Amino acid sequence: SYELTQPPSVSVSPGQTARITCSGDALPKQYAYWYQQKPGQAPVLVIYKDSERPSGIPERFSGSSSGTTVTLTISGVQAEDEADYYCQSADSSGTAWVFGGGTKLTVL
Amino acid sequence: QVQLVQSGAEVKKPGASVKVSCKASGYTFTSYDINWVRQATGQGLEWMGWMNPNSGNTGYAQKFQGRVTMTRNTSISTAYMELSSLRSEDTAVYYCARKEFSGAFDIWGQGTMVTVSS
Repeated sequence: SYELTQPPSVSVSPGQTARITCSGDALPKQYAYWYQQKPGQAPVLVIYKDSERPSGIPERFSGSSSGTTVTLTISGVQAEDEADYYCQSADSSGTAWVFGGGTKLTVL
Repeated sequence: QVQLVQSGAEVKKPGASVKVSCKASGYTFTSYDINWVRQATGQGLEWMGWMNPNSGNTGYAQKFQGRVTMTRNTSISTAYMELSSLRSEDTAVYYCARKEFSGAFDIWGQGTMVTVSS
């Protein structure tokens, strides 16, 4: 079955830039979406269609795509950004959704 | 405001079934697919399937084929997910989520904890 691969953890100091990658063979053909999840809460959409930002999401969140890898970038990381981040995309047929394993962002 | 409100926590014995509800408000229920996602404690998100509230059409992840059924009652803007033949590995928080036109899951329910234990 199709898989999306994320690093288990990323650590950055406040004010630095965090980059979280997500790799999958179908990503050149399928859009990616990113969600932020804090403990005990439901996920929140932070990026859709690779690089679009929903209203209400801070400008420091951005997304990009290159080949089989998509990247979530958080510029000027703040303590409140500490959370788990999940990428999501569809398989090559577009009939099934898949989530990456998640990346825990730690703000040092 | 646009929201999805789910039913409360459930405790079930192995082999039983559970039915979780997801009530939509603040938007036209039949205009957006509802997806179901689960998360075991300390684990990642796992997509289970989708339902079109207008047509009732569904699509399930291969892993859950034969064990999951997604339905709806349009008169009360509520979607349901029923999982049968429960086992301990099904212990998880179950979320419903609205899929908007871009493909994004833009609105999520608060989650329903399902515990399977003898």
